[in-house]
Order: sequence, then structure tokens, then C-alpha cells
Amino acid sequence: DIVMTQSPSSLAVSAGETVTINCKSSQSLLSSGNQKNYLAWYQQKPGQSPKLLIYLASTRESGVPDRFIGSGSGTDFTLTISSVQAEDLADYYCQQHYSYPFTFGSGTKLEIK
Amino acid sequence: QIQLVQSGPELKKPGESVKISCKASGYTFTDYAMHWVKQVPGKGLKWMGWINTYTGKPTYADDFKGRFVFSLEASASTANLQISNLKNEDTANVFCARFAGSRRNWFAYWGQGTLVTVSS
Repeated sequence: DIVMTQSPSSLAVSAGETVTINCKSSQSLLSSGNQKNYLAWYQQKPGQSPKLLIYLASTRESGVPDRFIGSGSGTDFTLTISSVQAEDLADYYCQQHYSYPFTFGSGTKLEIK
Repeated sequence: QIQLVQSGPELKKPGESVKISCKASGYTFTDYAMHWVKQVPGKGLKWMGWINTYTGKPTYADDFKGRFVFSLEASASTANLQISNLKNEDTANVFCARFAGSRRNWFAYWGQGTLVTVSS
């Protein structure tokens, strides 16, 4: 199974700051066939189901604000949230969709000071 | 619009069974597999497996083999998850989820979750 290691586990920032969340996979998520990285990011607000933010490492889902940016390749990936807003209070998870069994990172709790 | 609507919360005793449903709407049910994801309260997400909604064939992640059964009521566009011989560690919110599309295997659609509480 592919192990997803996510960091940090939590962070607290003030509105307007930039946040970086890291995700490392135990094996490459880069498909040699199409040169795409099979990594997704989800946002889960308190009491809600997860919401897709980013897929294929850097493609923003429709309707997701452009302050959410996914980057990285191979085994190292980053979710950057620029100019954090109060509504971004949530848990964030990375997930590899490269192979079964699908696996998630352990999550990052974002708190707003 | 595409919706996955799950059944309500369940309170069960250890050793009992529970059946959770996920009713799909807004698309042809048999065109896309249904996946199940577990979340222990305050913890992370764990993929449980999936069911081919066309053939009915289930595939279980290793930790969910034995007491867990995925099934369908295709005529009702509904996927079910049954857990038997419930244990305290089965206490969790369980989500059904669907891929974005054909060959687009990221979870774009999620049910609202069903909280299963196992307590004596």
C-alpha cells in the first residue's frame, strides 16, 4: 500500500497569511503513461463531508477559489492557501488516486487566529 | 444535480448488525462504482472499498474483509453497507463517495455521512 505522510498535523494562522501543507507518498504517483500525478486534496469543514479541492496534483476543481494551489510531482506535493480567510477553517487531506487501495494522509487541521 | 443521500445515524450494541444506505440521484446509477470511506470521530479518512454498480461485485480493503458487506438495490439507485458483529472500534462516520467521471478517479461526490455508534 502507498503510505501518505502529511505535515504539519495542525497550524494556526491569521487571516491574510499564506499556508503551506505538505504531503509525501511512499512511492511515485507520477504515471509514466500520461505524465500526470495522481494526487488529490480535500477540505473537510466541521460536521461536513470532505470536499474535493484539487485533483491530478494541481488542477483546481470547478468553483474552488484560486487561492488554493496544488503543486508537486513524484512523491512530494504541496497545498498552498494564499491569503487565508476565516472560512478556510477546516481539516485538509491529501489522497493518492494512483492505485488501490486508495490512501489518505493523516490530515492537517487549519485554525484561524 | 448529482446527489448521494445517506441513511440516518445508528446506535447499536456490540455484536449487533447495522445496514447503511446511500441513495444516488442525478445520474445513471450503474455507470459509476460506489466507494465507502470510514472516519473515526476526530480522526482521518480510511478507504473501505468499492462496489461495481453494474455487476454488483464488491472489492474490500484488507481491514474491511469479513464483517463488511457491500450490496446494491439497483432498481432504487441505492448502495448499501452492512456491518455485522459490531465492535466498539466500528464507531465512525461512514461516507459513500463517487468518482468524478469515467477515468477521473478522484472523489468528486460524497454523501453527507452516517454516524454509527457502537456502545453497550
